[in-house]
Amino acid sequence: GAVVSQHPSRVICKSGTSVKIECRSLDFQATTMFWYRQFPKQSLMLMATSNEGSKATYEQGVEKDKFLINHASLTLSTLTVTSAHPEDSSFYICSAYRVTNEKLFFGSGTQLSVL
Amino acid sequence: SQQGEEDPQALSIQEGENATMNCSYKTSINNLQWYRQNSGRGLVHLILIRSNEREKHSGRLRVTLDTSKKSSSLLITASRAADTASYFCATGAAGNKLTFGGGTRVLVKP
Repeated sequence: GAVVSQHPSRVICKSGTSVKIECRSLDFQATTMFWYRQFPKQSLMLMATSNEGSKATYEQGVEKDKFLINHASLTLSTLTVTSAHPEDSSFYICSAYRVTNEKLFFGSGTQLSVL
Repeated sequence: SQQGEEDPQALSIQEGENATMNCSYKTSINNLQWYRQNSGRGLVHLILIRSNEREKHSGRLRVTLDTSKKSSSLLITASRAADTASYFCATGAAGNKLTFGGGTRVLVKP
């Protein structure tokens, strides 16, 4: 089956630093990937839609300059949390859409803790 | 914003019992999907039901969809301890963009 790899699975950083999270589709090409944020015991909130070769589409209330998304190839999208602060601590999950079977495949998530 | 609301928010049952959870949504949909999430992990796709379907089965899972009431249910029969997880419904519209419900946390006690 299709696999989406998300890395790192856990990161702890100091306030003010930037953190990059990678999302790779391992055996299919994905022109569209999605980034979600999830707080403990809550649902997934869509942050942005990552489009290969073009700018990401951000959901209302999500700061573009804070959460930089790059989708430079058909198998890789990255989310960079810039100048991270403790309130950015959360679980971030990506997903990639596989056109051939119309399914979304999710990465295993990244737990970000900002001290 | 969340499209769906799930009920109940949490469910605790004994192994072997059935677990039923419901999802309501607000706008028109192309399909509705159910996902499972183990604690601190990503989501696993369980089942997709299209807007023109009323019921679908997959193993011990049964999903119903009532578009007139804008609601869906997920039934897990003969639950096992390994079914302990959070379950989310998600509605799909254009562009494969999913909107998730609040989730139901299921605890299956051995």
